[in-house]
Amino acid sequence: DTGVSQNPRHKITKRGQNVTFRCDPISEHNRLYWYRQTLGQGPEFLTYFQNEAQLEKSRLLSDRFSAERPKGSFSTLEIQRTEQGDSAMYLCASSPGLADEQYFGPGTRLTVT
Amino acid sequence: RKEVEQDPGPFNVPEGATVAFNCTYSNSASQSFFWYRQDCRKEPKLLMSVYSSGNEDGRFTAQLNRASQYISLLIRDSKLSDSATYLCVVRDKLSFGAGTTVTVRA
Repeated sequence: DTGVSQNPRHKITKRGQNVTFRCDPISEHNRLYWYRQTLGQGPEFLTYFQNEAQLEKSRLLSDRFSAERPKGSFSTLEIQRTEQGDSAMYLCASSPGLADEQYFGPGTRLTVT
Repeated sequence: RKEVEQDPGPFNVPEGATVAFNCTYSNSASQSFFWYRQDCRKEPKLLMSVYSSGNEDGRFTAQLNRASQYISLLIRDSKLSDSATYLCVVRDKLSFGAGTTVTVRA
């Protein structure tokens, strides 16, 4: 399968714990995006990378959130000191270029109890 | 005002009907638009790009109206399998609408 993959698919954690998600984009895509989606809403942009450079971050990305793409391939999204409001689907997407269509991974569903 | 706004629906239509809905965007400089479809608890999947001149892909037609700042999606001859949420995207702003829910009934 050469699509975007994300791990884990589901994560249940207690409030205050740290969590880390991984995204493996389509190999030839140099742009990688993170979104968050809650029920009844569209995906909300969090951040994106061109190769290893993080080029844009949303105001939604509080200082508890950090994303990396150290070698310009896979990316990780870490949430520190999770809160119940962080419960959402975290989606990763990749694209060849900025104006091109994005291909989404299956998402990581986070539940904070 | 939100960057992208959609009528949430739901649009409940019989098989074979035509259904159409719009998506408005706030930034007149936006250049790149797409429609995605999202099934319940699944990731969004690209449906089609939206070109300035309008474009068609089988039963689906997308149009762009720059003067009024909206894009539209029309589905002809609806199938049960068209039941989904349709998301519009202003690509250069990385902004998604909240989605329009379409339910096609037998």
